[in-house]
Amino acid sequence: NAGVTQTPKFQVLKTGQSMTLQCAQDMNHNSMYWYRQDPGMGLRLIYYSASEGTTDKGEVPNGYNVSRLNKREFSLRLESAAPSQTSVYFCASSESLTGNYGYTFGSGTRLTVV
Amino acid sequence: DAKTTQPTSMDCAEGRAANLPCNHSTISGNEYVYWYRQIHSQGPQYIIHGLKNNETNEMASLIITEDRKSSTLILPHATLRDTAVYYCIVRVRGGKLIFGQGTELSVKP
Repeated sequence: NAGVTQTPKFQVLKTGQSMTLQCAQDMNHNSMYWYRQDPGMGLRLIYYSASEGTTDKGEVPNGYNVSRLNKREFSLRLESAAPSQTSVYFCASSESLTGNYGYTFGSGTRLTVV
Repeated sequence: DAKTTQPTSMDCAEGRAANLPCNHSTISGNEYVYWYRQIHSQGPQYIIHGLKNNETNEMASLIITEDRKSSTLILPHATLRDTAVYYCIVRVRGGKLIFGQGTELSVKP
């Protein structure tokens, strides 16, 4: 029972490099989310996708882009990485945005930008 | 979504009940109270949620006051593996989860 799978688990980037964080879920969930967590802080919502084909900004979208490739996959792209984007990134999914459902989270991607 | 206030940290003896409080005095009638926890730096784990009635599942119990302005998460027999950061979140139906700072619970032998 995989749930939500994130790749890679760790990544070091140089300032200005680009990369894509991958997320896939196997629970047939409609809604997916990207959060970031900085040391000692709670999670902050970057982008979310209510359903396949739609994406919307969350609390802290600047510097990121997302793609809902299909129902299973939701990727997060950093076009030009900055040290301020050093963080742990979590992907999550839920059955729907409008229902009263809990979220299932992945195990995170630890990104360091030097 | 209404804001929540939680203590920054709490201790609990192993085998005893852990009672984690949460204030949400501005909660409105259609907002649910959710609890998640995060162990080390793993992804948050769903624990329980409720609207106005008390709720119980295999992990915990949730007690919501009659005026719904506060709630308590109860872990009936805390173990060392329950050491984690616990987040109380108020979420309108259909709204997104917005995390606060949470309570760092330390379960001690």
